[in-house]
Amino acid sequence: GAVVSQHPSWVICKSGTSVKIECRSLDFQATTMFWYRQFPKQSLMLMATSNEGSKATYEQGVEKDKFLINHASLTLSTLTVTSAHPEDSSFYICSTLKVGVADTQYFGPGTRLTVL
Amino acid sequence: GQQVMQIPQYQHVQEGEDFTTYCNSSTTLSNIQWYKQRPGGHPVFLIQLVKSGEVKKQKRLTFQFGEAKKNSSLHITATQTTDVGTYFCAGPGAGKSTFGDGTTLTVKP
Repeated sequence: GAVVSQHPSWVICKSGTSVKIECRSLDFQATTMFWYRQFPKQSLMLMATSNEGSKATYEQGVEKDKFLINHASLTLSTLTVTSAHPEDSSFYICSTLKVGVADTQYFGPGTRLTVL
Repeated sequence: GQQVMQIPQYQHVQEGEDFTTYCNSSTTLSNIQWYKQRPGGHPVFLIQLVKSGEVKKQKRLTFQFGEAKKNSSLHITATQTTDVGTYFCAGPGAGKSTFGDGTTLTVKP
């Protein structure tokens, strides 16, 4: 498998502030990373596809101005939740895409965001 | 768009009983992947199936890919308490995966 780290693992912030979450691919260069959101007891909801050196592709219904994604290098993608509100509280998980016979995703440990 | 559906949503078993979760896609899949997410954890890749009718085994886990490549199953023989978690299937689509809603397995000792 591949090793993916996320930082921070959890964060509590006040409403109106911005929070940055980092996703790092530790053992291979990931051209493509994905950002997911998961509510309790629900499946993973893809938010956006992050491509190194280009703009992220957002899924329908995801506000790109609220969830800023930057993929500045082949090993780092960041998700910034801007002007966070309590409804943004969730578990955010990134994954890297390893291209091969069949594309495989490797997930980071996730970041739990709580907005007060 | 592509949809991947899983049943059942929840399954409660006694330790030692078998467990099966089923995954169905509205379209033919080039491959299917299975992930396990422990409570409080993140999804962990288990296996991928590529060929029509493919069957793969990992100890007590048996994975099958349907002949039409539109459905798949995960069967666990003689469940143990360590098997608890949510099992997701995922089908590829334009470079990204579409996840099923998952089947949450609880095992009573």
